[in-house]
Parts: sequence; C-alpha cells; structure tokens
Amino acid sequence: DSGVTQTPKHLITATGQRVTLRCSPRSGDLSVYWYQQSLDQGLQFLIQYYNGEERAKGNILERFSAQQFPDLHSELNLSSLELGDSALYFCASSVGLAGEYEQYFGPGTRLTVT
Amino acid sequence: ILNVEQSPQSLHVQEGDSTNFTCSFPSSNFYALHWYRWETAKSPEALFVMTLNGDEKKKGRISATLNTKEGYSYLYIKGSQPEDSATYLCALADEGNQFYFGTGTSLTVIP
Repeated sequence: DSGVTQTPKHLITATGQRVTLRCSPRSGDLSVYWYQQSLDQGLQFLIQYYNGEERAKGNILERFSAQQFPDLHSELNLSSLELGDSALYFCASSVGLAGEYEQYFGPGTRLTVT
Repeated sequence: ILNVEQSPQSLHVQEGDSTNFTCSFPSSNFYALHWYRWETAKSPEALFVMTLNGDEKKKGRISATLNTKEGYSYLYIKGSQPEDSATYLCALADEGNQFYFGTGTSLTVIP
C-alpha cells in the first residue's frame, strides 16, 4: 500500500458526460501528479500540482482539468467524454516539487466510456 | 514529445539467471531518471530515482546505473526469482517537470 488513495476504483459512463476522479496523496506529500494509461499507449503524464498550484502540464486535453485543494487532495475533471478517454487514470504523490523525488502511485481509477 | 525507449520489450529467463534491461533517452533533456516495477493488476512501484551521471543505486538484488552523457540507464537483476516477474518501466523527468515514460520491459522468470 503506497498510502495514496484514489476513488472511485471503477467508473462507467456515457459519451458526452462529465466525471470527477479523486486522489488523496500520502501524508506529508505536497505534489500530486496525474497520469493516463490507454490500451494502446504507455503511461502519459497529464498534469502536476504542488501545494495547491499547477506546476507542470503534459498531454492534457482541454476537456480535462484538475485542481488541488487546501487539504492537498486533488481532483481530475473529465468532460465531454469520448470513447477514446477510456483508460486507467493514476495519480501519484511525492514530497517535493521537482522531478528527483520518488513518486508513489495510487491504485488507479478505471474509466470506461460507452 | 521526447522518446524514451526500453529494450528488450519482453524477456523470459530461468530462475537464478541474472538479467539486465536498457532505458535510452535524449541526454539533452535530462533532469532525473526513474525506474518502476509494475506488477499486473497493481500500480507502479518506485525502485530508483537517479540524477547524477555515473550514479549507481542498489536495492537487494536489483541495481541500476546511469549515463546521462550518452543517454542510457541499465537495470540489473541478479539471480532472478519468480516474484521478480513484472514490467519494469523507466521515466525521464525534464527540467520542466514533464515526465516521459518508456513502454516497459516485461520480465517473466520461469521457475
């Protein structure tokens, strides 16, 4: 158990809908990262938050947004969902801001868009 | 988008064999290199983070080396055990905190 929690574990929804994925980092970690793993692709970095502020942005679609709250939990919002958004979404946390800190991954949320 | 390559794509070894895999990356974008172990139906587990050229890290039977000038890292497993069966992922972090993952090396250790 990494100490990172993600809810829900599974989510099934229809095209055009909007969903919110939630992540709680390990106690003491200030950074939260979001990743997407689609069937035909490896892990793709989406976005990073550190202590409430967005600090790095990767291949995140405009239909997707995220935020980190004062209690450091983070939410990833996916809207106007398409079939191709079906994927496993991981969040990870680390203690520091920069890339030299070890990341601890949550169990993931599997999103299925029908 | 940076290209992080891992080879081989998959590997089958006998229990007790030692093995190694490669992660190649563009050296000009290097800030840190992460190695993860990813078992089926679980989430990636951090093995090492390496930042310095020539760095070597070790955890039990697993070790890793880093060459930032030529853009590669090796992961070694000594005396492979069936419980080492997993996908081993590397990820490059650049100075802008972007992370680029390889597609992994799938290791199967045959008892």
